[in-house]
Order: sequence, then C-alpha cells, then structure tokens
Amino acid sequence: DAKTTQPTSMDCAEGRAANLPCNHSTISGNEYVYWYRQIHSQGPQYIIHGLKNNETNEMASLIITEDRKSSTLILPHATLRDTAVYYCIAPGGATNKLIFGTGTLLAVQP
Amino acid sequence: NAGVMQNPRHLVRRRGQEARLRCSPMKGHSHVYWYRQLPEEGLKFMVYLQKENIIDESGMPKERFSAEFPKEGPSILRIQQVVRGDSAAYFCASSPVPGQKNQPQHFGDGTRLSIL
Repeated sequence: DAKTTQPTSMDCAEGRAANLPCNHSTISGNEYVYWYRQIHSQGPQYIIHGLKNNETNEMASLIITEDRKSSTLILPHATLRDTAVYYCIAPGGATNKLIFGTGTLLAVQP
Repeated sequence: NAGVMQNPRHLVRRRGQEARLRCSPMKGHSHVYWYRQLPEEGLKFMVYLQKENIIDESGMPKERFSAEFPKEGPSILRIQQVVRGDSAAYFCASSPVPGQKNQPQHFGDGTRLSIL
C-alpha cells in the first residue's frame, strides 16, 4: 500500500466547495486512489476512486495530478451532512485490503 | 438492491463468552473483508475471505479469533472467550472480484460488541 498523508482537520462553510487534499508520493503505477468517508460511527461509505484521469460521480469529483503523487477530493456544495472523517487510501497487493490512516475530519459549518 | 448486511447491530457479552458476528455480502459479491475499529481509533484490517477460503488473515489476533465464509450462508467472525479489550465496532465489507484494482469495497453498518 502506498502511504497517504492528509490534513488532520478542515472546516468548510455550508454551500461552499470542500477541497480535501491527499499526498501519495509513493504510489505505484497500477495503484488506484480510493476515497471513503465515515460519518459518526457508521460504516465507511465509498465515495469515488481513480487511477490517473479525473473522475466525477453524483457525490464528488476526484482530481489526480499528472505525476499521481497527490489528489484532491472535491465536494461541490458541502452540506452539514457531509461532516465526517474522509479517508484517502491507495491499496496495494493482490488482496486490495484497505489500510485506513487517520483521515481528515471535515467540519461543515452553518 | 440490498447492501452489505451485518447482524446483530449490537451485541453484549460477558467476559469468557463467545461472540458470533454475521455478514451477508452484497448480491453478486463473493469476497468479504472484516475490519475492527477500537474506540477512538481507525479501522484495522483483520481478514479477507472468499467462499470456503481464507485468503489473508494477517490482521487477525493469533488466539480466540476465527473467520469463515461457507459455501452457503453468511460469513462469520467468531471470538471465543471474549475479554474487555474485544469491545469494538466490527465492520464487514464485500467486493465482487478478488483484488481487482477498480472494484471498491462496500461496507455494512457494523456490529457494536460490548463486553461486560
């Protein structure tokens, strides 16, 4: 697994875009970047993943730098319900097991 | 289209008893992962199984813990002779294809195990 580094916490105003960065400078060429979030103590919720192209779905956008050493998760219009811990993970190996770091606690402020 | 189903949602056991946690993967998923989250900590990988096979148990404690995923029925995480330190949230995740890089795991809501 590539090591990922994320800020411990971030604030965002409700209705604004939330941009969550992640560094993964040791990522290998075939390792995807996955984003999950955990609200309170619920099960982690899959958000989005990508390899090298930018990705967008109904929840978020993922911007991956050309050298793949970092990425940014974008929540276009944050709501209070987006307050959660966000995890950036680059699983490696044949089993694809997820190694959760400390993540970023995103606090959306009213 | 049901997601990953875990039961029970909450389980209370006394020290020395056995705990059995069940996980039914999403429809079409044949691979299951178990993770444990101790209070105020992050999730830690425990074990990865496919039907009738344990693929990776590198995160399982060496004693008292076992997991299975039989040909029929849910995956079971079994903890024998529970101790207070086993109190945690146990999450199950499933995926459709083993280790394929572009298949995300989807998680259940977890089982909260409390040891008295």
